[in-house]
Amino acid sequence: DADVTQTPRNRITKTGKRIMLECSQTKGHDRMYWYRQDPGLGLRLIYYSFDVKDINKGEISDGYSVSRQAQAKFSLSLESAIPNQTALYFCATSDPGSGNTIYFGEGSWLTVV
Amino acid sequence: QKEVEQDPGPLSVPEGAIVSLNCTYSNSAFQYFMWYRQYSRKGPELLMYTYSSGNKEDGRFTAQVDKSSKYISLFIRDSQPSDSATYLCAMSDPNAGGTSYGKLTFGQGTILTVHP
Repeated sequence: DADVTQTPRNRITKTGKRIMLECSQTKGHDRMYWYRQDPGLGLRLIYYSFDVKDINKGEISDGYSVSRQAQAKFSLSLESAIPNQTALYFCATSDPGSGNTIYFGEGSWLTVV
Repeated sequence: QKEVEQDPGPLSVPEGAIVSLNCTYSNSAFQYFMWYRQYSRKGPELLMYTYSSGNKEDGRFTAQVDKSSKYISLFIRDSQPSDSATYLCAMSDPNAGGTSYGKLTFGQGTILTVHP
C-alpha cells in the first residue's frame, strides 16, 4: 500500500459543485501539503500544514480550503469548482528528520466541466 | 519570465545513450536543487538533492549545479527503458521557507522516452 493515499484518484464534477479530495498518510510525518500540477506550469503549492492546528496558505490558495482532521489526514476542498481548477492534485508529506524530502501521493485527477 | 525554465521535450533516446536534462533559473536566492522523476499516473519521487554549486553522483545519475550561470543539469548514463518518465527540476530558497515549508519552485518537466 502507498504511504500517501489520495481519494478519489479521478473525479469529474460540474461547475459550481463542491468537491473534496482526501489524503491520508502512514509515514507518521507532521508536515503535509497540497500541490497542483498543470501542463506547462509544473507543481505549485496550494496549502501546507505543520500540525492539526497549523495551516498555511501556499502560492495559489484562492478558491481552495483545507482541513487537517488528524496528523495523518489532510483534505482539500473546492467550495465552488470552476473549469480552470481542472488539474492533477498531489498530496505530500515531509519530515525534517528525513532531510525535508517531500513524499508525494499518486495524485487525483480532477476535471471540472 | 518563469523563475525556472525547463525544456518540456519530449526527448527520445535509444537504450544506452547518455541523457542530459537541464533547467535554468532566475532567482539567485535558490540554494537547494532537486530532481524528481515522475512515472505516468504516479506522483513525483525525489531522485537527486544538491546544495549550492557542484556535482553529485548516484549510480548512473549525476546532478550538476552551476550557480554562476544559474543552470542545473541531470545526466543519466547507460539509459534504460525503465528511465522513461517525466523529470522535474525543483529548487528552493531556504530564506523564504524552502523545503521546510514545501516551498519548491518546479520546472515544467521534461518527458523522456528510452526505447530498446
